Amino acid sequence: KNEVEQSPQNLTAQEGEFITINCSYSVGISALHWLQQHPGGGIVSLFMLSSGKKKHGRLIATINIQEKHSSLHITASHPRDSAVYICAVAPNFGNEKLTFGTGTRLTIIP
Amino acid sequence: KAGVTQTPRYLIKTRGQQVTLSCSPISGHRSVSWYQQTPGQGLQFLFEYFSETQRNKGNFPGRFSGRQFSNSRSEMNVSTLELGDSALYLCASSLLPGLAYEQYFGPGTRLTVT
Repeated sequence: KNEVEQSPQNLTAQEGEFITINCSYSVGISALHWLQQHPGGGIVSLFMLSSGKKKHGRLIATINIQEKHSSLHITASHPRDSAVYICAVAPNFGNEKLTFGTGTRLTIIP
Repeated sequence: KAGVTQTPRYLIKTRGQQVTLSCSPISGHRSVSWYQQTPGQGLQFLFEYFSETQRNKGNFPGRFSGRQFSNSRSEMNVSTLELGDSALYLCASSLLPGLAYEQYFGPGTRLTVT
């Protein structure tokens, strides 16, 4: 069974702090997605990666395939970064379906 | 380019009724996936369609069904609604099939079953 675990579940930080959210999974994957969900429900895809590292603005995502672990970093955090961040994995075998982590609720205080 | 659209945005139904939700993908995208999000279970995969064919299905009862039309628009249907079907239903489109491609999500349909 494919398990996806995220940590921490909740994170509160001051504006400007460096943020790290972690995601661990249990099976081989073809891709890992990082998603952002704001209050109201809309989901935005931040990154999709299968190896290495990707950067977009203040956001950086890394993945270690051997260790089955990915991290999402936010540099110079801002109150508008407050959202739920969700990691999802696509297994590389069998029934292809995204399995989601439970999400990390991030609150950035001005 | 217009994003993924879902209709209706909000819906209230009674137990035992059925409901149909609609999803229009980004122009040119031929793959549509559906997801259910509840406070208790989080996000769960329902099914994926590509070229009018269901490619994959999640662990949901047969009351949940879907289809895709030749213009790639997709509908999902839930029959004999139960209270536990109250959820945010999200669809996502991608250029190609398989979930190793970037998914573009719609705003969701919030279904309340009373």
